[in-house]
Parts: sequence; structure tokens; C-alpha cells
Amino acid sequence: EPEVTQTPSHQVTQMGQEVILRCVPISNHLYFYWYRQILGQKVEFLVSFYNNEISEKSEIFDDQFSVERPDGSNFTLKIRSTKLEDSAMYFCAQIKAGTGVYEQYFGPGTRLTVT
Amino acid sequence: RKEVEQDPGPFNVPEGATVAFNCTYSNSASQSFFWYRQDCRKEPKLLMSVYSSGNEDGRFTAQLNRASQYISLLIRDSKLSDSATYLCVVNMPTGTASKLTFGTGTRLQVTL
Repeated sequence: EPEVTQTPSHQVTQMGQEVILRCVPISNHLYFYWYRQILGQKVEFLVSFYNNEISEKSEIFDDQFSVERPDGSNFTLKIRSTKLEDSAMYFCAQIKAGTGVYEQYFGPGTRLTVT
Repeated sequence: RKEVEQDPGPFNVPEGATVAFNCTYSNSASQSFFWYRQDCRKEPKLLMSVYSSGNEDGRFTAQLNRASQYISLLIRDSKLSDSATYLCVVNMPTGTASKLTFGTGTRLQVTL
């Protein structure tokens, strides 16, 4: 079965720089999500995206964050001016179309290190 | 009260043992429940959805008690490869987007 992929696998950036994390979705998936996991902590919801619009966002997802589907396929998470505390694993996830239960499948993640 | 609460462990068990993990959730309106497995520095992988009637997948059995807001996972005949962190995950009823709320996870270490 096709899997969700993410690029890059690891990104190192300096504080204040912009980063763009990419997710390549599976074509028949509908809802898209971004989550993050700070090292040693639990996975936290950031934002959900459906029909090319944000459906919901958490308190973490402030004005520094944005999501897009720039070319109708890839799905990006942008952090405009990174802070040290943005260092985390960032996962995109999708729900498979046609399932009765909202099972979310996660990509392998991008490890973001802000120095 | 935390939205999803789990015993962090670690649980250290010998190969072949049976081990049970428990989880409680705070929102009684929660609709869907899952167990995910996460290996170190990897993505969460769906292990199984949890249904009200309980469900089994090979050596794994999940139970849901809505009245007590309690979810469990039982692993029989533990294998070394079962060593991982097990995440209790709940779908919070919010809009149509079905965001997931994760527990902190219970770490399992299976030894020879």
C-alpha cells in the first residue's frame, strides 16, 4: 500500500529563519493533518486541512505557521521565523478515503533542529 | 485531568509474557479510539482501532469501556519486536476534521 512521504527527513536551521516542510500525500486521501512531537513529549495536533482550507488549528499554530497545497499535490507546513522551541519532529498524517473510522496514517516525519 | 492519561512505564517483561496497558480519557463525547505504536524517533503507526465490543488482532486485544472512559490493550506472548512505546489515542469530537489527542505513551521493553 502507498505510504505518506515527507521531505526533508532532517532540517537544521538558525533561529529566525523560515523553513518549509513537505508532505507528499496519497491521492485518494482526503483530510490532511500536521502534528509535532517535541523530544520526550507527546504528539500534539497542529492543524487540519480539508478541501484546500484549514479546518481547525490548535493554540500552537500561531501566526508563525501556515499550511498550503501549492501545486495541488504536495502539502506544506511553513514556519516563518523559527524559534528554538520549534525544534521537534513534525509529522503529516492523512485519513484514508472510504474507511468508516477516522484512522490517520502518519508520514515518517521531519526532524527540525533550530540552533 | 489530562485529556488522555497513560502510565508511562517502562514495563519490562520477559519474552512470552502477557502485558496489559491502560488508558483513561476525559471527554465523554469522544468518538473513536486507537492504539498506536511508536518506535524511537519514528512516526506513530496504527496498531488497531478500538471498538465498543472489543476487538482482537492476533496477539493483541483492545477493550473499550465508555462508562468508565477507559481503554486497554493486552499483548499476549510478547516478542522482542514488541518493544516500543504504545500510544493511547482518542478522536476528540470537534468539527469534521477529526483531530487526534495522544497520551504520553507507555514504554514496553521485552527481554530474553
